[in-house]
Amino acid sequence: AQSVSQHNHHVILSEAASLELGCNYSYGGTVNLFWYVQYPGQHLQLLLKYFSGDPLVKGIKGFEAEFIKSKFSFNLRKPSVQWSDTAEYFCAVRFSSNTGKLIFGQGTTLQVKP
Amino acid sequence: EPEVTQTPSHQVTQMGQEVILRCVPISNHLYFYWYRQILGQKVEFLVSFYNNEISEKSEIFDDQFSVERPDGSNFTLKIRSTKLEDSAMYFCASPFRLGDNEAFFGQGTRLTVV
Repeated sequence: AQSVSQHNHHVILSEAASLELGCNYSYGGTVNLFWYVQYPGQHLQLLLKYFSGDPLVKGIKGFEAEFIKSKFSFNLRKPSVQWSDTAEYFCAVRFSSNTGKLIFGQGTTLQVKP
Repeated sequence: EPEVTQTPSHQVTQMGQEVILRCVPISNHLYFYWYRQILGQKVEFLVSFYNNEISEKSEIFDDQFSVERPDGSNFTLKIRSTKLEDSAMYFCASPFRLGDNEAFFGQGTRLTVV
């Protein structure tokens, strides 16, 4: 079955600390990969995406992610987090599908302490 | 600014009542998706809709649910005879244009069934 898993459910960091959130998916075929962020009370916003090409993708707000095909992973990173990065982060995968639906991971709550 | 707008932002309804959640794209989108996020859980795919037809639905999307585009622009999710467990955030998503691989999410409707 197609599935997406995020390893960290709740992460607490101090400002300026480095961040890495894990994401793995189950399927071995062609995938499109996404990271979304959801700030409290707001809608899902796209942080970055990977379709093809350079496996290291850069997104908004200083975030980046690396696609490692052999590990079925798409980990999100940020060298130095800020208090304003406090939010819920979702990894999502579009598996080879005619309908284009996304399968989401469970989400990771990031709390950044000032 | 989200590409799609959802109304209402919050709805409280009594168990057994019918609710209609609306999604209004800014431009003439052709692909639509509904997702659900129960509090504290991950975002789950409900249904995809293209060219006025359901193209895929999940096991969650049972006979209680229906979708339609009543006037060619608005996209609605109807939940008949709501249950307590239908309480969740419902997100509409829609690619910007045909062939795009990126979905834009609306701000969500928080449904509370009491």
